[in-house]
Amino acid sequence: QKEVEQNSGPLSVPEGAIASLNCTYSDRGSQSFFWYRQYSGKSPELIMFIYSNGDKEDGRFTAQLNKASQYVSLLIRDSQPSDSATYLCAVNTLKDTGRRALTFGSGTRLQVQP
Amino acid sequence: GAGVSQSPRYKVAKRGQDVALRCDPISGHVSLFWYQQALGQGPEFLTYFQNEAQLDKSGLPSDRFFAERPEGSVSTLKIQRTQQEDSAVYLCASSFGLTGEQYFGPGTRLTVT
Repeated sequence: QKEVEQNSGPLSVPEGAIASLNCTYSDRGSQSFFWYRQYSGKSPELIMFIYSNGDKEDGRFTAQLNKASQYVSLLIRDSQPSDSATYLCAVNTLKDTGRRALTFGSGTRLQVQP
Repeated sequence: GAGVSQSPRYKVAKRGQDVALRCDPISGHVSLFWYQQALGQGPEFLTYFQNEAQLDKSGLPSDRFFAERPEGSVSTLKIQRTQQEDSAVYLCASSFGLTGEQYFGPGTRLTVT
């Protein structure tokens, strides 16, 4: 089982709709969760982070965390074609070294259709 | 600086050559991380530093890979005797702390021919 799992997509939504991106993780001790957006040929850009159970809203983005279910999601409201990108979920997980490091999922490709 | 910078942005190396990739983190960020990203995959952790101390290098794929941050600011990732499987994008990120938000540089795309 991968430490951080995401559906690779593509997830296709019409312009103006809500896009829902999901991520599950295996390390119950993880405390920090991040969503990055990556355009083709570019580096990851941090768009949201969440540390506590519940919802966190920032503009059109809402991150949701459920530690009991080991599940974190990202909602994008009023999706725009410019939101079309790969969304990477990242979780601070415990490594074999006993230290924590950021583990990324493989990303979900989002396509917003005009 | 305003953001994380990396150089060179692109590097083509013949198999067997040594390469050095540079990262200049955001000013004041004590933690610096190196990742390797293959096409279609998420970044894979290589190593990280807190100031000049390399706290974890468990992700380095072989002893051909070496990283340093001698003065706790700029870092260099060195790959000796490059192989084709080393072809990837090498990303550097920095943060205030070890578990906080990480901000990425533009990456160095390494192609080994």
